[in-house]
Amino acid sequence: QVQLQESGPGLVKPSETLSLTCSVSGASISSHSWAWIRQPPGKGLEWIGNISDSGDTNYSPSLKSRVTISVDTPKNQFSLRLTSVTAADTAVYYCARLFRDIYCDNSSCTKGYWFDPWGQGTLVTVS
Amino acid sequence: QSVLTQPPSASGTPGQRVTISCSGSSSNIGSNYVYWYRLLPGTAPKVLMYRNNQRPSGVPARFSGSKSGTSASLAISGLRPEDEGDYYCAAWDESLSDQVFGGGTKLTVL
Repeated sequence: QVQLQESGPGLVKPSETLSLTCSVSGASISSHSWAWIRQPPGKGLEWIGNISDSGDTNYSPSLKSRVTISVDTPKNQFSLRLTSVTAADTAVYYCARLFRDIYCDNSSCTKGYWFDPWGQGTLVTVS
Repeated sequence: QSVLTQPPSASGTPGQRVTISCSGSSSNIGSNYVYWYRLLPGTAPKVLMYRNNQRPSGVPARFSGSKSGTSASLAISGLRPEDEGDYYCAAWDESLSDQVFGGGTKLTVL
């Protein structure tokens, strides 16, 4: 059974860097792709980005200039760094395993990302 | 404002059938798969539906998904009190190159 657990500071000052770690058990970090998603208070979910099993990253355009996702294979963990934070970055941050779907026929491809399982989330307040 | 549009709330009594809608555009739902998640306070979010209408193992058959054009829906039949929670739809948006979510629907079992 794959389980994920987020950890990191719950309070970050404006303009500083938010750093979170996701510890994975029940699966090898190098065999799967992984993602970060967040939910600001009272708002909906927002995808932050992914890292694949080959180390390729893909970030949300709105956060791309400030985000880095990386993997620590020996520790079976992956991490999120978000620089120059503001109050708008206050959110519950979730880590999750990522699955990709793609089906192509002669005319087009149908795609999707989905996340399973998720960690319980950790609240990070920027203040 | 979310790219995918969901009703903010839905409700039903135990045993009833409830449907939650998700409306998008040709660049997301119209051309890609739709996924559904449930969030409960203090617990890890859970995927309920993938590839429009596929249930992960462990999700009861009471849950079903469908997609038509640029809209999708999640139906829950035989409603139970434990089905309460916040439900989100999601899809990849080709134009934005972004994974987009709906604003969420709060389901209440009366």
